Amino acid sequence: NAGVMQNPRHLVRRRGQEARLRCSPMKGHSHVYWYRQLPEEGLKFMVYLQKENIIDESGMPKERFSAEFPKEGPSILRIQQVVRGDSAAYFCASSAGQGYGYTFGSGTRLTVV
Amino acid sequence: AQSVTQLGSHVSVSEGALVLLRCNYSSSVPPYLFWYVQYPNQGLQLLLKYTSAATLVKGINGFEAEFKKSETSFHLTKPSAHMSDAAEYFCAVSDTGNQFYFGTGTSLTVIP
Repeated sequence: NAGVMQNPRHLVRRRGQEARLRCSPMKGHSHVYWYRQLPEEGLKFMVYLQKENIIDESGMPKERFSAEFPKEGPSILRIQQVVRGDSAAYFCASSAGQGYGYTFGSGTRLTVV
Repeated sequence: AQSVTQLGSHVSVSEGALVLLRCNYSSSVPPYLFWYVQYPNQGLQLLLKYTSAATLVKGINGFEAEFKKSETSFHLTKPSAHMSDAAEYFCAVSDTGNQFYFGTGTSLTVIP
């Protein structure tokens, strides 16, 4: 039973390019969450999705960031026109439902050069 | 808004000594509370969770935490530290069980 799978593990992008981060939740989990971790900081909530629906995107920057969780396939976090400040570790977590706690992936470390 | 405060960004203990990592939360409703551990370049692993059952929660690797409503605290303890416990520890709170609010983390160093 594979855990939460994130890819790529490391991603390097030049300023202005697009970054696509993928997350496959654990089998049986229909809730997906994205968090961002900046150096020396805790995790900050970005967005909560269920299949084909964005439930809560209150932590997502209003511009350049988008997320989806299609009926088939992984959840995608997309960052357009990346800037140096986007450099961070992006973690995906999945859950079977409310209060069960998350299972985290190993993260994607984005570096913008 | 929810918030979590972890006192002490760095804690050092000797191998075999008591581990105490502090967490205080703000929540207007009975919360879900969690402790996670993060090893270098890895994701977060759930240590334990409180979901309004017993106030003393036992987790993996010998860790436990006690929910104290009067103190709004959920401190993490382990009687005897092991070298393999060296990691970053995060406390998290949620009132809905969905969006979590994480503390800034406590880095635990175990001294041989």
